[in-house]
Amino acid sequence: DQQVKQNSPSLSVQEGRISILNCDYTNSMFDYFLWYKKYPAEGPTFLISISSIKDKNEDGRFTVFLNKSAKHLSLHIVPSQPGDSAVYFCAASQSAGGTSYGKLTFGQGTILTVHP
Amino acid sequence: EAGVAQSPRYKIIEKRQSVAFWCNPISGHATLYWYQQILGQGPKLLIQFQNNGVVDDSQLPKDRFSAERLKGVDSTLKIQPAKLEDSAVYLCASSNSASFHEQFFGPGTRLTVL
Repeated sequence: DQQVKQNSPSLSVQEGRISILNCDYTNSMFDYFLWYKKYPAEGPTFLISISSIKDKNEDGRFTVFLNKSAKHLSLHIVPSQPGDSAVYFCAASQSAGGTSYGKLTFGQGTILTVHP
Repeated sequence: EAGVAQSPRYKIIEKRQSVAFWCNPISGHATLYWYQQILGQGPKLLIQFQNNGVVDDSQLPKDRFSAERLKGVDSTLKIQPAKLEDSAVYLCASSNSASFHEQFFGPGTRLTVL
């Protein structure tokens, strides 16, 4: 049972345009969401997060949107740069305590390629 | 601030052999995680430690996998005996109590089981 899904395995975008990466989740207990970026031969690095009490969070060129009713979140990168080419993972967590506290459930990842 | 260190970076073994991975988390991080990432999939949590106690090992195949975190700092993950399906990247991550959700990952160990 995949609780976090990234249905697009890959995305190709021209430099300077917007990149939109999507993520869907099924577990209504998730209340904190993160995006990680991964380059080849490196571990994932934290990019941006959002709590379920918000519907938008911005950090420079990166914005994450959360639609709780649709159980959907998206990452927008504007403008896209060739250095953004990487695998992007969506992850979800719950803060309610218990043994699941802090545990991240990851999606399958989306390979973003930004062409010069 | 030094990041999460892992060794070895690569390991090739034959099935039924044993292998061990080592992780040194960021100094002061009480929580340590081991993930398995199979090619084309996202990381899957195997075990979570809080200091040197296990918080969650529900997805750890305990018949062949074991992990320990002595003195609440370094950790080792062992597979004995390895199967072909254990071929994956094994990622170690750590986090501090102030920011539980934001985990810092090491570079991983790529294991190939032949």
